[in-house]
Amino acid sequence: GQNIDQPTEMTATEGAIVQINCTYQTSGFNGLFWYQQHAGEAPTFLSYNVLDGLEEKGRFSSFLSRSKGYSYLLLKELQMKDSASYLCADMDSNYQLIWGAGTKLIIKP
Amino acid sequence: ETGVTQTPRHLVMGMTNKKSLKCEQHLGHNAMYWYKQSAKKPLELMFVYSLEERVENNSVPSRFSPECPNSSHLFLHLHTLQPEDSALYLCASSQERGSGANVLTFGAGSRLTVL
Repeated sequence: GQNIDQPTEMTATEGAIVQINCTYQTSGFNGLFWYQQHAGEAPTFLSYNVLDGLEEKGRFSSFLSRSKGYSYLLLKELQMKDSASYLCADMDSNYQLIWGAGTKLIIKP
Repeated sequence: ETGVTQTPRHLVMGMTNKKSLKCEQHLGHNAMYWYKQSAKKPLELMFVYSLEERVENNSVPSRFSPECPNSSHLFLHLHTLQPEDSALYLCASSQERGSGANVLTFGAGSRLTVL
């Protein structure tokens, strides 16, 4: 079957670090995507992982373990503007994206 | 103007109305998509066009009718909708379809309310 699981909501403090987890069970695998969506705005691309390991991009990093069907998005030095929903999606063997319901991240001062 | 532009941003319609959503991309992409986004649910893929040809229709009711007159424009025609069709409708484009690093560029969406 095809299923993506991620927490519905998380809260973190400005300046801290937060890790948003995503697990997937998909037939075939062609990569794992993370998108950010601020309220009322378009989702925007953050990262793409197809090989195991950690990809770092400034304050944001994304990790993938294909054997465990697991990914996480790591946000460091949190800023208020990081308050948004974070969408995890994996690409199946037909190159179709299977989306999670998103994790709403709330940053408190 | 760059990116993906959707109009209108907000639309309220009765169940007997006919309306259309418009999407325009200025990125030179070859694939365009319609997604439905409902609160606390995963994005639902509705239609995919590749080089102006419809390549996917994910069991969407016939009250939703897509049109892709050229590679830059995509429409979603709406008629006799139901209240459960109220949602955010997102348009997206990508360089091509059917490759691994297929990054989507989304529009800001059209918020549809069906009364």
